[in-house]
Amino acid sequence: GQNIDQPTEMTATEGAIVQINCTYQTSGFNGLFWYQQHAGEAPTFLSYNVLDGLEEKGRFSSFLSRSKGYSYLLLKELQMKDSASYLCAVMDSNYQLIWGAGTKLIIKP
Amino acid sequence: DGGITQSPKYLFRKEGQNVTLSCEQNLNHDAMYWYRQDPGQGLRLIYYSQIVNDFQKGDIAEGYSVSREKKESFPLTVTSAQKNPTAFYLCASRPGLAGDPYNEQFFGPGTRLTVL
Repeated sequence: GQNIDQPTEMTATEGAIVQINCTYQTSGFNGLFWYQQHAGEAPTFLSYNVLDGLEEKGRFSSFLSRSKGYSYLLLKELQMKDSASYLCAVMDSNYQLIWGAGTKLIIKP
Repeated sequence: DGGITQSPKYLFRKEGQNVTLSCEQNLNHDAMYWYRQDPGQGLRLIYYSQIVNDFQKGDIAEGYSVSREKKESFPLTVTSAQKNPTAFYLCASRPGLAGDPYNEQFFGPGTRLTVL
């Protein structure tokens, strides 16, 4: 079966750095997406990785290792507004997105 | 401004009633999707459509129906056959057809359906 694993919840301090991991087992791979979702709102796109390596976009970076079926989202200089759920999704061989359950990130002052 | 609209944001229905959730986009996207989100779970695909007048079942299509008569519109009907319809429903769209993985999905604001 297809499976995406992420930690359920993480806590970090304002101004610090946090890494949210995602491991996957899917039928085929056409890229990995990270989305941010605030409570009660729609997910918004953060990043897309299809090749191994690190993609940096401001305070957010995303890393992919296809051989290990592993990705992480790195958030630097955490702000209170970063409190949200972070969703990992993999596009499979049928070009459908398989979603993880999301990681709820709690930022403390 | 281009975007995806879903209405209403909150919807209450009695058990046994059918209800239709609207989804409209003016982004000129070919593909549209309906997801269901329950607490502690990932998004689950209900139906998707890659082109007008064509749609495919997702992983949890039982108890739901859709239509795609216009490129801009992809309404979802939750029927009385759906055993546990209370959930947060998200509509999404993306440009291009399925064989173009580089385009992300854009989401509407969602409709929270509560069946009493």
